[in-house]
Amino acid sequence: DAMVIQNPRYQVTQFGKPVTLSCSQTLNHNVMYWYQQKSSQAPKLLFHYYDKDFNNEADTPDNFQSRRPNTSFCFLDIRSPGLGDAAMYLCATSREGQGVLNYGYTFGSGTRLTVV
Amino acid sequence: LAKTTQPISMDSYEGQEVNITCSHNNIATNDYITWYQQFPSQGPRFIIQGYKTKVTNEVASLFIPADRKSSTLSLPRVSLSDTAVYYCLVVPLSTGGFKTIFGAGTRLFVKA
Repeated sequence: DAMVIQNPRYQVTQFGKPVTLSCSQTLNHNVMYWYQQKSSQAPKLLFHYYDKDFNNEADTPDNFQSRRPNTSFCFLDIRSPGLGDAAMYLCATSREGQGVLNYGYTFGSGTRLTVV
Repeated sequence: LAKTTQPISMDSYEGQEVNITCSHNNIATNDYITWYQQFPSQGPRFIIQGYKTKVTNEVASLFIPADRKSSTLSLPRVSLSDTAVYYCLVVPLSTGGFKTIFGAGTRLFVKA
């Protein structure tokens, strides 16, 4: 089945140690997103890629970076994780324009990040 | 970007119809309304989308009045497995649909 896959499902990292989360998709969608979801809160958009065009949300901390080497893969890099960065990180994909409405955003199952 | 307001939680019993209303007072002309369902430790899942009047699919109906300042997700005959968080999203088509804000969501508890 076409889907969005996030690896790993659970990640433990040390305070201040860089960590990378990965996302891959088989949907061939040209838009990919990263969301942060803290416990009992709604997902918060960090940034998105429209093809190779990177779009950062204004309130996304500089500590968060992203790379999209090709259509299928997207990475979230946290340069110096703090305790406050512990959260579920969700990757999503979509088409653009009317395609978003017809098919919605397709989310992966997320990576739960723990910072120790 | 239009912000949304939903009830924080709702309780229901199996077999009942559940209606969850979302307020989006500053919705723009090119904005569409979508609803997502999220189970614990999973990503949100697309349920339904609409622009105005009524939309129905195999799992839900969406009612949108003429002024579009609110919308109601209707789940017919809920079961225990419908216990989840339901999010109302306003999708701004004018920006390609890329930038959308999740509201706080409604936690639905379905009891036996």
